[in-house]
Amino acid sequence: EVNLLESGGGLVQPGGSLRLSCAASGFRFNEHAISWVRQAPGKGLEWVSAISGSGDDTNYADSVKGRFTISRDNSKNTVFVQMNSLRAEDTAVYYCARGFYTKFDVWGQGTLVTVSS
Amino acid sequence: QSALAQPASVSGSPGQSITISCTGTSSDVGSFNSVSWYQQHPGKAPKLIIYDVSSRPSGVSNRFSGSKSGNTASLTISGLQAEDEADYYCSSYTTTRIFGGGTKVTVL
Repeated sequence: EVNLLESGGGLVQPGGSLRLSCAASGFRFNEHAISWVRQAPGKGLEWVSAISGSGDDTNYADSVKGRFTISRDNSKNTVFVQMNSLRAEDTAVYYCARGFYTKFDVWGQGTLVTVSS
Repeated sequence: QSALAQPASVSGSPGQSITISCTGTSSDVGSFNSVSWYQQHPGKAPKLIIYDVSSRPSGVSNRFSGSKSGNTASLTISGLQAEDEADYYCSSYTTTRIFGGGTKVTVL
């Protein structure tokens, strides 16, 4: 079964850092781009970042550029996002999703990140 | 990059058809056929229901259909059912990805 599982969310103070992980199973991991998409409480979806299957290409939304870094370890079927200089407006459920260029066809269950003092 | 424009809400009675619009620009919806649609029930992760403007993933009901004209994409739900009540989001490729603001579908 194709599956994505996020972890690493939690409560962090403004200006702090957090690293989220997305563990994949059930498909050829290195053949697929993986994205992070977030959803602030009561709000819509916002694409955050994506990484190609090889890890050579990365993309970021302007709202996180310079603060978030996406990476992947294909030997462990895992994608990471390192989030630094966190702000209150980064509070959201963070989903990892398979895909970027055409569609997001598999989604994880999400992990909640709360930025608050 | 601005979000794609969707109506905040659309409603219909069981059995009726409804259409949700998704308006972008010539830089996103108008330039790429990578428009996709997602259904999200409360507290759940989004689910892909349409990709590449009008293609349906395996297992998605054929009551869902997509189209595009110029800078506007549309999702039509025919034979509306109670289980269709959810939030719907469009998304387009534009060197990055953008989403619409979401449309709440209510089944009367």
